[in-house]
Amino acid sequence: EAQVTQNPRYLITVTGKKLTVTCSQNMNHEYMSWYRQDPGLGLRQIYYSMNVEVTDKGDVPEGYKVSRKEKRNFPLILESPSPNQTSLYFCASSLLTTSSPLHFGNGTRLTVT
Amino acid sequence: AQSVTQLDSQVPVFEEAPVELRCNYSSSVSVYLFWYVQYPNQGLQLLLKYLSGSTLVESINGFEAEFNKSQTSFHLRKPSVHISDTAEYFCAVTCFPQGGSEKLVFGKGTKLTVNP
Repeated sequence: EAQVTQNPRYLITVTGKKLTVTCSQNMNHEYMSWYRQDPGLGLRQIYYSMNVEVTDKGDVPEGYKVSRKEKRNFPLILESPSPNQTSLYFCASSLLTTSSPLHFGNGTRLTVT
Repeated sequence: AQSVTQLDSQVPVFEEAPVELRCNYSSSVSVYLFWYVQYPNQGLQLLLKYLSGSTLVESINGFEAEFNKSQTSFHLRKPSVHISDTAEYFCAVTCFPQGGSEKLVFGKGTKLTVNP
């Protein structure tokens, strides 16, 4: 089954404790992206990647890192999480940049205390 | 900067009533247009898209949207909604600005609640 898999679904952590949210797609998509969803703000792009070893900042990259060492994986790294990073995070992928429809994972709800 | 405006944050309707979810965008250049739906505790799913050709596009579950270039709108409609249509709906626009790279921009979403 074609899908984007994120883990974990739920994560509670404390300020400053490094964490990684994993994302994997099995559709051989070149484009991958991370979004955060907050009430009243919709979806905001954090980082995106056009292909292996090619990543770029989205609209709200501060406090986040990403890597794209393999085509299928695009982990999101929070080196020192803060409470304002409490949010619902989505990974998405598409065949060709943003002109192709995005396939989304089921989300990771992160709480930073 | 490109922007997408969904005029209603919440839309309550009764079952079998018609509904229209409004979406306007700010762009004077070519665009691709999308509607995504998010059911509770799930990620977004593509509902329908406009890339080119006929300005009226339809989804498999009875929704339709019409691209209106002069009004820069892409409103989503359904003539008769079901309880199962309760979800949040996001309009998204890919813009191709001159001298810049293409960018996908999402609206802030409209929560549709269908009541019995």
